[in-house]
Amino acid sequence: EPEVTQTPSHQVTQMGQEVILRCVPISNHLYFYWYRQILGQKVEFLVSFYNNEISEKSEIFDDQFSVERPDGSNFTLKIRSTKLEDSAMYFCASMPNRSGGRRAFFGQGTRLTVV
Amino acid sequence: AQKITQTQPGMFVQEKEAVTLDCTYDTSDPSYGLFWYKQPSSGEMIFLIYQGSYDQQNATEGRYSLNFQKARKSANLVISASQLGDSAMYFCAMREVSALRGSARQLTFGSGTQLTVLP
Repeated sequence: EPEVTQTPSHQVTQMGQEVILRCVPISNHLYFYWYRQILGQKVEFLVSFYNNEISEKSEIFDDQFSVERPDGSNFTLKIRSTKLEDSAMYFCASMPNRSGGRRAFFGQGTRLTVV
Repeated sequence: AQKITQTQPGMFVQEKEAVTLDCTYDTSDPSYGLFWYKQPSSGEMIFLIYQGSYDQQNATEGRYSLNFQKARKSANLVISASQLGDSAMYFCAMREVSALRGSARQLTFGSGTQLTVLP
């Protein structure tokens, strides 16, 4: 089965530092998402991306966050100045299309720890 | 208002028995999809089963079935013949289908149910 790949699997960063989380979606997919899950809590939507622009974003996705798809394969989430409360598991997901792609394929996640 | 409600924070089931994990949802959109994901302790999200709002029959995938009751807005997951490897967190999720062209709405997740299968 095709896979969404996320790197790194674990990232420890100091508060105030910038961090970039990387994702390689499935190659023919068109819709891309970032979600986060604070330890022990539910999975929360951050942002969706289609046609090289943000489709939707949640209240969590403030000016400290940005996404881009620089080379047509990678899909990155950048946090400019990390805070302690950014510690969470971050999931990337992709879908092939709007109607036929019922299922979002998730990566294995990046566990971010801000110290 | 919560869009997805999972009222069982934790459930226990004896190995080889069946178990039902509850999920209710709230939407005014006529078109939507309902999903169940499994999250083991390793953290990855594993897709289990999907039910479309217009599907006439309840979805089944191996030992997983979805008891879809549209009028009650419930989408309970039934796991038959539980195995020790089924011990995990289970999330119900919904995607509303946007009327906007080119927009695939995001998933909204419930708070999850921690299932423990006892030997």
